[in-house]
Amino acid sequence: DAKTTQPNSMESNEEEPVHLPCNHSTISGTDYIHWYRQLPSQGPEYVIHGLTSNVNNRMASLAIAEDRKSSTLILHRATLRDAAVYYCILKKGGNQFYFGTGTSLTVIP
Amino acid sequence: NAGVTQTPKFRVLKTGQSMTLLCAQDMNHEYMYWYRQDPGMGLRLIHYSVGEGTTAKGEVPDGYNVSRLKKQNFLLGLESAAPSQTSVYFCASRRTGTTGELFFGEGSRLTVL
Repeated sequence: DAKTTQPNSMESNEEEPVHLPCNHSTISGTDYIHWYRQLPSQGPEYVIHGLTSNVNNRMASLAIAEDRKSSTLILHRATLRDAAVYYCILKKGGNQFYFGTGTSLTVIP
Repeated sequence: NAGVTQTPKFRVLKTGQSMTLLCAQDMNHEYMYWYRQDPGMGLRLIHYSVGEGTTAKGEVPDGYNVSRLKKQNFLLGLESAAPSQTSVYFCASRRTGTTGELFFGEGSRLTVL
């Protein structure tokens, strides 16, 4: 059973903000929300994570709904290098990371 | 630092053959993971380990075995390969603690004919 649900694909113009949504309605109180991205022919790389509060780092921002059943990854200014598959993941039980099917982001020059 | 290294990167097997994928990490991480990725799908967890000498099953463990005899190495074995095991396999590691991020290898592409 899918633990996270994301749109299959999204497009964005270069240098514009991108909001990537994720639904995780079955999230438990101790589950962390992680985001990773995967460039072609590479392993996934960490982007950001959070538990309850919104988070910012040099790559992106993570906005978490008050009921924690959804979250949004925000790329403030999309570049061509941001074209990748973005995965929203629940970290369950402290050890297990369950990937969804991801959103393929296309950045249009 | 090499990070997470997977060997081999490519392999072709015939149905019924056996093989072992090796994952090595040089970051002194406690946790290690094996995932598989099939076209159009995300990564699915096969097995994982929370420390030397320990292993646990993930979402899709059938047909695979693992061992963690040394902290830096996590081996994934296929005793009798099947075409359904054709996939790209990724290894990952992370340190202990709730905020440890996963570090992935570059993947191993396995084809079973």
